[in-house]
Amino acid sequence: NAGVTQTPKFRVLKTGQSMTLLCAQDMNHEYMYWYRQDPGMGLRLIHYSVGEGTTAKGEVPDGYNVSRLKKQNFLLGLESAAPSQTSVYFCASSYLYTTDTQYFGPGTRLTVL
Amino acid sequence: QQQVKQSPQSLIVQKGGISIINCAYENTAFDYFPWYQQFPGKGPALLIAIRPDVSEKKEGRFTISFNKSAKQFSLHIMDSQPGDSATYFCAASTKTSYDKVIFGPGTSLSVIP
Repeated sequence: NAGVTQTPKFRVLKTGQSMTLLCAQDMNHEYMYWYRQDPGMGLRLIHYSVGEGTTAKGEVPDGYNVSRLKKQNFLLGLESAAPSQTSVYFCASSYLYTTDTQYFGPGTRLTVL
Repeated sequence: QQQVKQSPQSLIVQKGGISIINCAYENTAFDYFPWYQQFPGKGPALLIAIRPDVSEKKEGRFTISFNKSAKQFSLHIMDSQPGDSATYFCAASTKTSYDKVIFGPGTSLSVIP
């Protein structure tokens, strides 16, 4: 049982480049989330999904897109990376409700130059 | 108001001492209050959680105290150990809204020998 995995672990982009972060969970969870973590700001929700084929915006969605084509996968895309998107990105999943335990992946450290 | 305030930002405690981290919220609809622990380079992991129908919950050396009328809750770590050195996030959520998982900004705890 791998839990929540994220690919890649590290990435450096130039301004304007695009990339996709992959999150996978093997716990059959319905809910999946993408957060970004910046110093002194805690975890801020980017987008989330309450089930396969559904996505919704969180607190800071601008500049990001997501897709949940399969229940176990949640993809986060950056269409045109900006230095302000330099951050550590965490994926999480929970069984059903937001009041269920969230299981986090190990994170992706992204630097945009 | 969706904000969760957390203090202190950083905390240094001697081994064997008590670590106390405080959080406050505004939204009375919140009905689930978890604490997450994050070690450097890792994703957050659920440490302990409480619901507003109880005033205290204890798990080993970790205790959550909850004051519903004051809209405050706190984490106490008894007999703090160097292995407890991590960043601690309080959070609040409600079952009635999917994306209402609000994290505090985090407290960096260092336990020195």
